[in-house]
Amino acid sequence: DAGITQSPRHKVTETGTPVTLRCHQTENHRYMYWYRQDPGHGLRLIHYSYGVKDTDKGEVSDGYSVSRSKTEDFLLTLESATSSQTSVYFCAISEPNGEQYFGPGTRLTVT
Amino acid sequence: KNQVEQSPQSLIILEGKNCTLQCNYTVSPFSNLRWYKQDTGRGPVSLTIMTFSENTKSNGRYTATLDADTKQSSLHITASQLSDSASYICVVSEEGGSYIPTFGRGTSLIVHP
Repeated sequence: DAGITQSPRHKVTETGTPVTLRCHQTENHRYMYWYRQDPGHGLRLIHYSYGVKDTDKGEVSDGYSVSRSKTEDFLLTLESATSSQTSVYFCAISEPNGEQYFGPGTRLTVT
Repeated sequence: KNQVEQSPQSLIILEGKNCTLQCNYTVSPFSNLRWYKQDTGRGPVSLTIMTFSENTKSNGRYTATLDADTKQSSLHITASQLSDSASYICVVSEEGGSYIPTFGRGTSLIVHP
């Protein structure tokens, strides 16, 4: 599992509340990613990071922000959660050869 | 725009049978192609990774093939087991941009006893 953990693993929140998901890795990988996975859409990239304080947007970044103040932690924040953000969120890291390893996922429900 | 198309969308087979999943891509220039297995409720796990010069790679009962000329790949599962029931995802990376891969939507495989 390349030492990737996500927290929380499950969360239920109300519309309009802020939510932060955490991804933690133990192997000093440079690249980290946040994806969401929804039925019929597969995995879609939200944001990614290529180093401390270096982040960029993916294809579905609206409504999400990220921060990476330490190599090992990559945070995903929903500033004001909406029902359309109900999804399963996966964190991933990338090795230099391009191989990606994924975390166990966080199931988020926005009511 | 880079695209990865997988077929079939879903597949049901009997335990012990073989099956083949398909992946077509438009990613160019090509860097590598990966197949992942994703069990329900878990993150994807890598099965194989192939570069331009490789046209086949095996991982136990899983064999992936790559035809870089036609931009097609297949994943063949031999002697299927109940534990093969999962979603199989094809992922293709672009040369020079290999850190932002393109994902297929996956093929859902169900193996019945």
